[in-house]
Amino acid sequence: DIQMTQSPSTLSASVGDRVTITCRASQSISSWLAWYQQKPGKAPKLLIYKASSLESGVPSRFSGSGSGTEFTLTISSLQPDDFATYYCQQYNSFPWTFGQGTKVEIK
Amino acid sequence: EVQLVESGGGLVQPGGSLRLSCAASGFTFSSYEMNWVRQAPGKGLEWVSYISSSGSTIYYADSVKGRFTISRDNAKNSLYLQMNSLRAEDTAVYYCARETMIVGIDPWGQGTLVTVSS
Repeated sequence: DIQMTQSPSTLSASVGDRVTITCRASQSISSWLAWYQQKPGKAPKLLIYKASSLESGVPSRFSGSGSGTEFTLTISSLQPDDFATYYCQQYNSFPWTFGQGTKVEIK
Repeated sequence: EVQLVESGGGLVQPGGSLRLSCAASGFTFSSYEMNWVRQAPGKGLEWVSYISSSGSTIYYADSVKGRFTISRDNAKNSLYLQMNSLRAEDTAVYYCARETMIVGIDPWGQGTLVTVSS
């Protein structure tokens, strides 16, 4: 199975900060990586697919990069609505696997 | 608008069974692969099972293999998860989610809570 490791687990930031979350795969997944945002009591929401493609309707302050085993999610200017938990997920090979999540908290 | 609505969750005793359903609307259900993903209380996301558009290809997580069965009825636009021999560690919110090759898993339903406890 492909292991996905996110860092950090928790991130404290202020509105307006630039935020970067890293996701590492235990083996190459090409660009088959998605990023999700989840708020308490809600289903995950797709932000980025195929490592760097922005899902329709997602603000342009979100961006993704990387390929192979190293990926990043960047929020260029953190907004109040962005405080949430973020997950990466590989869909290169079954079983699909998720990172453990990164909680973005208010500093 | 694409909608996925799960149902069938509830409280069940260890060793018991439960069948989850997911009603799909707003898209051609028979053309899409589907998944079940779960989230234990306060924990991360765990993929559970996948089924191809025709139902001919199925995968399971090792944690549920031999106990859970995924199925679909394309005529009824519905996805199912039959869960047998339930354990406390199966307690979670279960989401159904559509999949495409390029985008991956999206969108997700609102989830249904399964609680396994005596």
